[in-house]
Amino acid sequence: GQQLNQSPQSMFIQEGEDVSMNCTSSSIFNTWLWYKQDPGEGPVLLIALYKAGELTSNGRLTAQFGITRKDSFLNISASIPSDVGIYFCAGQLYGNKLVFGAGTILRVKS
Amino acid sequence: AAGVIQSPRHLIKEKRETATLKCYPIPRHDTVYWYQQGPGQDPQFLISFYEKMQSDKGSIPDRFSAQQFSDYHSELNMSSLELGDSALYFCASSGLSVSGEQYFGPGTRLTVL
Repeated sequence: GQQLNQSPQSMFIQEGEDVSMNCTSSSIFNTWLWYKQDPGEGPVLLIALYKAGELTSNGRLTAQFGITRKDSFLNISASIPSDVGIYFCAGQLYGNKLVFGAGTILRVKS
Repeated sequence: AAGVIQSPRHLIKEKRETATLKCYPIPRHDTVYWYQQGPGQDPQFLISFYEKMQSDKGSIPDRFSAQQFSDYHSELNMSSLELGDSALYFCASSGLSVSGEQYFGPGTRLTVL
């Protein structure tokens, strides 16, 4: 089946630093989404990308849909303590089920 | 803005019992998805419904069934529960106007003893 490789697995950074994480796939997706999940809660949609090469920002978050349609990255600038959580990438074909990466655990040292 | 509602939030059952999880999608969303998330795992797709018809099926055990009702809410029925069914179960909804974007509920934590 389709699999996404998400890296890094975890990050422990200083408050104020920038963060970068990415996902790659052996399959093409026509939509990439990035979610943040706090423990025991549902994933919250951060950014959705629909077009190869698309670069989208949402506040301090920036994400890009790779030109090959097989990868995406998420950057967080000037991290703050509330950025702590698990970040998941998800690929989607034609509005159907989401295939998730394994997640990146982000810890911020203040 | 209204979000996806799931009930109950927590459920404790014994082995071989039955459980029913409910999901109320965001108003005017016509598609519902069910995901299962084990500890330390990413969410895994179980099943989805569009306009009350099953639209896709993932790794859902035969012991589980689901349906979407005329008011678009959905129920996931789980029978002959096993210890391995203990997990977080999420419902997500989407609508044609925001194609691709799935919005998740807070989840139901199922514990099977």
